[in-house]
Amino acid sequence: EVQLLESGGGSVQPGGSLRLSCAAAGFTFSDYAMTWVRQTPGKGLEWVSAISGAGERTHYADSVRGRFTISRDNSKITLYLQMNSLKAEDTAVYYCAKASSWSVRNVDVWGQGTAVTVSS
Amino acid sequence: QSVLTQPPSASGTPGQRVTISCSGSSSNIGSNTVNWYQQLPGTAPKLLIYSDNKRPSGVPDRVSGSKSGTSASLAISGLQSEDEADYYCAAWDDSLDGLLFGGGTKLTVL
Repeated sequence: EVQLLESGGGSVQPGGSLRLSCAAAGFTFSDYAMTWVRQTPGKGLEWVSAISGAGERTHYADSVRGRFTISRDNSKITLYLQMNSLKAEDTAVYYCAKASSWSVRNVDVWGQGTAVTVSS
Repeated sequence: QSVLTQPPSASGTPGQRVTISCSGSSSNIGSNTVNWYQQLPGTAPKLLIYSDNKRPSGVPDRVSGSKSGTSASLAISGLQSEDEADYYCAAWDDSLDGLLFGGGTKLTVL
């Protein structure tokens, strides 16, 4: 069974940083692209970033490009999202999601999410 | 503002058939496959339909997906109370080089 467990969320002041982690299990991690998606309280889903299986290709939403960095450690079977220069509008639940293949274009399994609050 | 447009709400009575639309453009739905996700209150999204019209294992056959041109639809027949949830469409956008989600449709079972 595929399992994704996010951690690292919390409260931070505007301009601060956080690093989210997503521990994976139940599949060959390096064979699959991975994605971060966020959901603002009471609102819809917003794609944040994606990374290829080997980590050589990354993609970012315009809203986070230059501030967030996605990475992965296939030896630790873990996905990361380094979030810098955080803004109030980054407040959301962040989900880690597994792609359905090597391609970043589709996601199938989601983690349970970790909450990030940016407030002074 | 989502580039994939869904109605904000839909409703039906038990046993009815409801459809939820998702309208996009040539750079997303028109050139990439569509997935649909169900999100029950307080939980993470769950894949309901992939590759326009395929059901993952465990999704009942009363749930179906279709696509034509730059629009896609999700249909749920034999509506049940447990179908009450938010539903999202998603498709990769070649122009944005990113994954787009629809704004979501809240399905109410009356």
